Amino acid sequence: QVQLQQWGAGLLKPSETLSLTCAVYGGSFSGYYWNWIRQPPGKGLEWIGEINNLEDTNYNPSLKSRVTISVDTSKNQFSLKLSSVTAADTAVYYCARLPRKFRHFDYWGQGTLVSVSS
Amino acid sequence: EIVLTQSPATLSLSPGERATLSCRASQSVGSYLAWYQQKPGQAPRLLIYDASNRPTGIPARFSGSGSGTDFTLTISSLEPEDFAVYYCQQRSSWPPALTFGGGTKVGIK
Repeated sequence: QVQLQQWGAGLLKPSETLSLTCAVYGGSFSGYYWNWIRQPPGKGLEWIGEINNLEDTNYNPSLKSRVTISVDTSKNQFSLKLSSVTAADTAVYYCARLPRKFRHFDYWGQGTLVSVSS
Repeated sequence: EIVLTQSPATLSLSPGERATLSCRASQSVGSYLAWYQQKPGQAPRLLIYDASNRPTGIPARFSGSGSGTDFTLTISSLEPEDFAVYYCQQRSSWPPALTFGGGTKVGIK
């Protein structure tokens, strides 16, 4: 059974860098895009970006200048860094798996609430 | 960027009623559209992929239809556990980008 387990700091100050990691258990790491999605409180879902095992990345143009997604295939983990955070970056952040031959997410992490406040 | 517009924003229905949710794309996405259900405090759950396919374990009361720019999610007879928010999602191959609709909340009337 595939599981995505994520963790990272939940409280940041403005201008700091958000850092989250997602570990993949129970499945292959290749053949998928590994994604980050976020959801501000009470709002909809926003795609942040993705990476595959070859380290090919795609980012949401609106966040591209501040986002870095990386992968550690030896640990079956991938990570998100978002720099220069503001209160507008307060959200639940999810990691999710997207099979390369499809265009939808089939497994999600549990979500991590990240709050930005001075 | 392909914009997905969901309507209505809110739907108030009673258990046993039929729910019809719409998702319209700003340009054709072929049949590559997915639907998710999200309940408070939970991650989204995949209901429909490639417009009309149900993953294993999704009840048959959920069905999807459409192609191109207009898509529909139908819940044939609402169960108490179906009251939730529903999102559509597409992923374009070039340039690679992924977008969600704004969501439809199905609430109890």
